[in-house]
Amino acid sequence: EPEVTQTPSHQVTQMGQEVILRCVPISNHLYFYWYRQILGQKVEFLVSFYNNEISEKSEIFDDQFSVERPDGSNFTLKIRSTKLEDSAMYFCASNPRGRAGDEQFFGPGTRLTVL
Amino acid sequence: GESVGLHLPTLSVQEGDNSIINCAYSNSASDYFIWYKQESGKGPQFIIDIRSNMDKRQGQRVTVLLNKTVKHLSLQIAATQPGDSAVYFCAENRGYSTLTFGKGTMLLVSP
Repeated sequence: EPEVTQTPSHQVTQMGQEVILRCVPISNHLYFYWYRQILGQKVEFLVSFYNNEISEKSEIFDDQFSVERPDGSNFTLKIRSTKLEDSAMYFCASNPRGRAGDEQFFGPGTRLTVL
Repeated sequence: GESVGLHLPTLSVQEGDNSIINCAYSNSASDYFIWYKQESGKGPQFIIDIRSNMDKRQGQRVTVLLNKTVKHLSLQIAATQPGDSAVYFCAENRGYSTLTFGKGTMLLVSP
């Protein structure tokens, strides 16, 4: 069964450093998402991406964040200058057509630890 | 109940019992409601969804009930098994595909 994959599974970085989290969505899906989950809290939407551009973003997704689909398979989230409060699990998800009611498939997540 | 910070509401049941997990949602304009299961160290996994024009939907061992009058969603799991132990989140989406998640309930199933 096709699945969303994410690398690395755990990323440790120093405050102020840039990190890039990588995702490979399911191959025939058109909509891609990043969510984050601070330890013990709910999953929060960051950004959605379709047709090589951001379609929606939350207030969390400020100028420190960017997303890119550099080739036909990868979808990346970059944090330019990490802060302690960026420590969280980051989940990538993909959706076949981006319609309400389409199942959204989540990857296993990347745990980001900012020291 | 409501969760605050690191404290999730927890439901503890015995194997074989039926479990009911509740969720209050905020936006009456939401079109779909979805239940996700999240096991430790993993991403959310789809369980079942329901459209806003329905009040009940059944899957395999799971039933979702939607009460739009009081903006309440519940997930019923029949004959709960140890493998059902996880955190369960409700989520809503509103005419587009972005999900808004609720705060989660931890289900603990004892053998």
